[in-house]
Amino acid sequence: GQQVQQSPASLVLQEGENAELQCNFSTSLNSMQWFYQRPGGSLVSLFYNPSGTKQSGRLTSTTVIKERRSSLHISSSQTTDSGTYLCASQGGSAKLIFGEGTKLTVSS
Amino acid sequence: NSKVIQTPRYLVKGQGQKAKMRCIPEKGHPVVFWYQQNKNNEFKFLINFQNQEVLQQIDMTEKRFSAECPSNSPCSLEIQSSEAGDSALYLCASRDRVNTEVFFGKGTRLTVV
Repeated sequence: GQQVQQSPASLVLQEGENAELQCNFSTSLNSMQWFYQRPGGSLVSLFYNPSGTKQSGRLTSTTVIKERRSSLHISSSQTTDSGTYLCASQGGSAKLIFGEGTKLTVSS
Repeated sequence: NSKVIQTPRYLVKGQGQKAKMRCIPEKGHPVVFWYQQNKNNEFKFLINFQNQEVLQQIDMTEKRFSAECPSNSPCSLEIQSSEAGDSALYLCASRDRVNTEVFFGKGTRLTVV
């Protein structure tokens, strides 16, 4: 079926530490997009990354399509990075399939 | 940055009342999605459109929800008779052609009392 598995479910860091989030997606899905959701709802697109590596500031996304996996790396975490990170992959009929999310807490 | 506009941001309805929310997709985006995010933060796909045509919808959407994306007007999602279980964040998103980046609006938070 169409599945996206995300790990870890939650992560607690001290400010300055790095984070690595992972998503695995089934063979019937294509591409990968990473979102950040603020407490209160807004979904912000971080990366659309169907393959390869993309970087934006302290964030890096790497998708290895052959291995059906994608990662999001956050370097030198800050308290403002706290929130929920979601990966999603596109399936049939243009539908987005979401992972379960990683709740990140960064403390000072 | 997303340019998908959803209104209203908050909506409070009594059980049995109609609840209607609107979405203006990014200009030039032919594909529009509606998702429901429940209190457990789980996403449920409701319906999507390409231009004005429905691509896919779930059973719930067929029975109690109505949605449309008319040309030159906002898209809309309407719950015909609200139930307590419909309380959730309703997210609209849009996208250009196949397999491109999806952009979400800020959502409409529906509370059914």
